[in-house]
Amino acid sequence: DIVMTQGALPNPVPSGESASITCQSSKSLLHSNDKTYLNWYLQRPGQSPQLLIYWLSTRASGVSDRFSGSGSGTDFTLKISSVEAEDVGVYYCQQFLEYPTFGGGTKLELK
Amino acid sequence: EVQLVESGGGLVQPGRSLKLSCVASGFTFNNYWMTWIRQAPGKGLEWVASITNTGGSSYYPDSVKGRFTISRDDAKRTLYLQMNSLRSEDTATYYCTRGSGRVSPYVMDAWGQGASVTVSS
Repeated sequence: DIVMTQGALPNPVPSGESASITCQSSKSLLHSNDKTYLNWYLQRPGQSPQLLIYWLSTRASGVSDRFSGSGSGTDFTLKISSVEAEDVGVYYCQQFLEYPTFGGGTKLELK
Repeated sequence: EVQLVESGGGLVQPGRSLKLSCVASGFTFNNYWMTWIRQAPGKGLEWVASITNTGGSSYYPDSVKGRFTISRDDAKRTLYLQMNSLRSEDTATYYCTRGSGRVSPYVMDAWGQGASVTVSS
């Protein structure tokens, strides 16, 4: 199985500041079709997860452009610019190069 | 509006069985792979089972293979998860999810509200 490892945030994050969440995979997620099979989800308190970004950097429908995904191979970053109250929750990365596995989650708290 | 509504959760003794259901609306159900994802209390997300849009194939991780069965009834627009030989480590909230049709079946672009399953004597 591909193991996904997420970093922690220096919480709380001041409102209006940017935040970067890191994710590392145990195997390169770059497919032979040149796409990177990496998603990001947000689970707000008391809610179900929602898809934010797929294929490394493509925002899902309706997702704010304050969210951006980047990285390559085995190292990835989700950047949230100008953090707002609605961004609070736990962020998960997920690979889908093989059967899906998720990172352990990174909690974002607002100051 | 895409909606996924789970039901069937509850308290069950170890070794017993439980069947979850998920009714879908707002999209053409038989065009999409469907997947169950679970989340143990205070923990992260774990893939549990997936089924193709035709229902012809299903996939499981080793942790549930041989104990859980995913199925679908397209006429009823309903996804199921039959869980047998339940263990305490199966205690979790189970989410019904839809795989993105145009991207990959393992990009879960819609989630239900979850069904809580507690395995305890």
